[in-house]
Amino acid sequence: DADVTQTPRNRITKTGKRIMLECSQTKGHDRMYWYRQDPGLGLRLIYYSFDVKDINKGEISDGYSVSRQAQAKFSLSLESAIPNQTALYFCATSDSDTQYFGPGTRLTVL
Amino acid sequence: EDQVTQSPEALRLQEGESSSLNCSYTVSGLRGLFWYRQDPGKGPEFLFTLYSAGEEKEKERLKATLTKKESFLHITAPKPEDSATYLCAVQANSGGYQKVTFGTGTKLQVIP
Repeated sequence: DADVTQTPRNRITKTGKRIMLECSQTKGHDRMYWYRQDPGLGLRLIYYSFDVKDINKGEISDGYSVSRQAQAKFSLSLESAIPNQTALYFCATSDSDTQYFGPGTRLTVL
Repeated sequence: EDQVTQSPEALRLQEGESSSLNCSYTVSGLRGLFWYRQDPGKGPEFLFTLYSAGEEKEKERLKATLTKKESFLHITAPKPEDSATYLCAVQANSGGYQKVTFGTGTKLQVIP
């Protein structure tokens, strides 16, 4: 079984809809991250969490929110989706330095 | 501002034709440099971490090296299954959160 799982794997939605992407990990790591990846751009950090009570904004947090429900679960929400949020979204976990990524969610906002 | 530049953007090799991918970086205090492999539609897969200039790591046909300004990923006698995008990232020593900055990747295609 995969160490980091993401659901859904693909999602098409309409402008203005609320969307939640979920991430679960079995690696036992305290640190979890949400990134988005766009063609021609590197992975960009949206939010990160070093433990259940610690949540921090990354470089592109506007329009997103997160919830750390447990050590193993970290969810990303788009409160009101817009077309420029169409991207690949990745969850990652780390112990200290090395980050391990999930399989990604392809989100399309029409 | 930390920056990571990877070159070339794309590379096409014949099977068995060795080559190198470059990752140039500027960072305010390097904590670590990472190489990942990413297949289409999948998440990045961790390959190596390098921490200091002069360090080298090897895995099968891949060898990563590090200097104070750049890292190379050497691919020896590549096979078609090595085709993927290779991502480089640097982690800075910057206060409480050691920020990780990713490059845009080198897309490698190995032709049989």
